[in-house]
This record gives sequence, structure tokens and C-alpha cells, in this order.
Amino acid sequence: GDSVTQMEGPVTLSEEAFLTINCTYTATGYPSLFWYVQYPGEGLQLLLKATKADDKGSNKGFEATYRKETTSFHLEKGSVQVSDSAVYFCALGANFGNEKLTFGTGTRLTIIP
Amino acid sequence: GAGVSQTPSNKVTEKGKYVELRCDPISGHTALYWYRQSLGQGPEFLIYFQGTGAADDSGLPNDRFFAVRPEGSVSTLKIQRTERGDSAVYLCASSLGTSFPLHFGNGTRLTVT
Repeated sequence: GDSVTQMEGPVTLSEEAFLTINCTYTATGYPSLFWYVQYPGEGLQLLLKATKADDKGSNKGFEATYRKETTSFHLEKGSVQVSDSAVYFCALGANFGNEKLTFGTGTRLTIIP
Repeated sequence: GAGVSQTPSNKVTEKGKYVELRCDPISGHTALYWYRQSLGQGPEFLIYFQGTGAADDSGLPNDRFFAVRPEGSVSTLKIQRTERGDSAVYLCASSLGTSFPLHFGNGTRLTVT
């Protein structure tokens, strides 16, 4: 079945550091890939997505590129801020949509000033 | 505007009891999803509705779990004969359709003692 393997945390970085959170997946067909974020005290929200190979999703300075050859969707940000502290989840959706998302276990990111 | 509302936010029940968890989606959202998140894990799909009908209930773990959405808006997740292993955060999400971003509620934390 479909699965997502995500870099384990927690990850602690200093403000303005470069961030990478690794995500690889196993799926049949042509899944869509997502990064969701959960800020303290809030519900999960979509951060970015990519629906086909070589697509790059981007939002709030974060980027991730859908790499079919390496089955990866790594999250990157060039300069993190304290406000980026949150839990990040990689997810895949079969059949191009959101009907049934498979999530990774989440990576807790803490940014220190 | 109002987001997805889940009630109660916390529920403690004894093993063997029946519980109902309620989800009020964003007005106008036709798709509604239930996920379960155990400690240290990512959300796990349970069921999704398109309108009033359950379009995919393949994630429900067994026949103790049932969900309804009788008028295509509010949904109730029902768990019979609760077990300690049912303890988790139950997340509800809604979207305009399955190709649109999911909006998650803050979840109901269920504890079975």
C-alpha cells in the first residue's frame, strides 16, 4: 500500500538557518504530494502541494519539488524564522485528489532566536 | 470566517461505553473527512463523505466505528464499545471538493480509561 517516510525529529535550528525536512514515498499510480503544517494550538493546514513529477510547490518561503525518480518531496526553506516553529507532515493523495491522504509521522521543528 | 468546529474538544470515557464526536464543517463544503491521530503518529484516514453519502469508508478499523452526515453538513463519528486502543485525537476536515485543500478542525481528544 501507499506509505510516506518522513525525517524524524525533533529538529532544532537557529533563526535564519537553512531547513531541509526529508520525505520519501511509496505509491502506485500518480499520487499528489503535500506538506501540511500544524502550528501550536491550531489545526493542520496545507502548506504546499505538487500534483505531478517535477512540479514545485511553494508557499511562505518554503519549497518542495516532486521527484519521481527518487520518490521524494523534501521540504526546504532558505532562512527560517521563529514563527516557523511547528509540526510538519508530508502526505500523499492517490488519484490526483484529497480523497484519502496518507500522512508521514510528522517532524517537530523548533527555531531558536 | 468560521473554520471547522469539533466538539467536544476532550472526551474521557470508560472502556465499553459509547461515544459520539461531532464535526461542523465550513459552510458550503461538500466534502467531509475523518482522520485519527495516535500519539507520535501522523493522521490516519477513516472515512470521507461527498454530500450525505460515505464515498469511502475503507479506513474505519472495524464495525464498532460508524459515521453519518444526514443533511450533508454536520457529521457525527460514533464509536461503540470503546476500547483503550481507541484513545487518540480524532480530526475532522472539510473541503469544497476533493480537489480542493482540506481545512482541518482542532480535533477531539478521546481518552478511554
